[in-house]
Amino acid sequence: SQQGEEDPQALSIQEGENATMNCSYKTSINNLQWYRQNSGRGLVHLILIRSNEREKHSGRLRVTLDTSKKSSSLLITASRAADTASYFCASDSGAQKLVFGQGTRLTINP
Amino acid sequence: GAVVSQHPSWVICKSGTSVKIECRSLDFQATTMFWYRQFPKQSLMLMATSNEGSKATYEQGVEKDKFLINHASLTLSTLTVTSAHPEDSSFYICSARPALHEQFFGPGTRLTVL
Repeated sequence: SQQGEEDPQALSIQEGENATMNCSYKTSINNLQWYRQNSGRGLVHLILIRSNEREKHSGRLRVTLDTSKKSSSLLITASRAADTASYFCASDSGAQKLVFGQGTRLTINP
Repeated sequence: GAVVSQHPSWVICKSGTSVKIECRSLDFQATTMFWYRQFPKQSLMLMATSNEGSKATYEQGVEKDKFLINHASLTLSTLTVTSAHPEDSSFYICSARPALHEQFFGPGTRLTVL
């Protein structure tokens, strides 16, 4: 399969806790991106990390990238009920197209 | 920020009919647009890359005669599902690329074929 893998496939935590999702990809990349998708909706771009970066922050989001392991992680701190969604990583190898991971369904319980 | 729209947002059709889905970049020009398909609780699978003024590039396993793509202008790409069947029922999402590394996604079109 061309797709990358994400784990866990589903994650349920209490509001206020941190959520960590992991992603692995298969080819060399220019950058890796994380997206959020609410049920039945389009994708919202969260953050992009370039291949020469190891960590990036945006608000409550922290993304790491390990190109030697072809893996990335997304950390959402102090989770809120509104963070409930599916989260996808997408690798950009520079061939114009994104390859999406299988996604993590995150549920934040109030 | 960059906005991409899709029309319609949902469509129900009978088996054997054709359905056209539009993808528009509202505030930028996009030489490249992408069409994805997403089945329930699954990830996005790239179907094809649409380049303005030239033929689309289809991913392996995607029938180009069934999924017709037209990218006639820098702000509009269309996907036509010809002779739709129930197995074509899915969520179709487009994205547009104004710059080298960014893609902006449309809200998706849910197609149900009866």
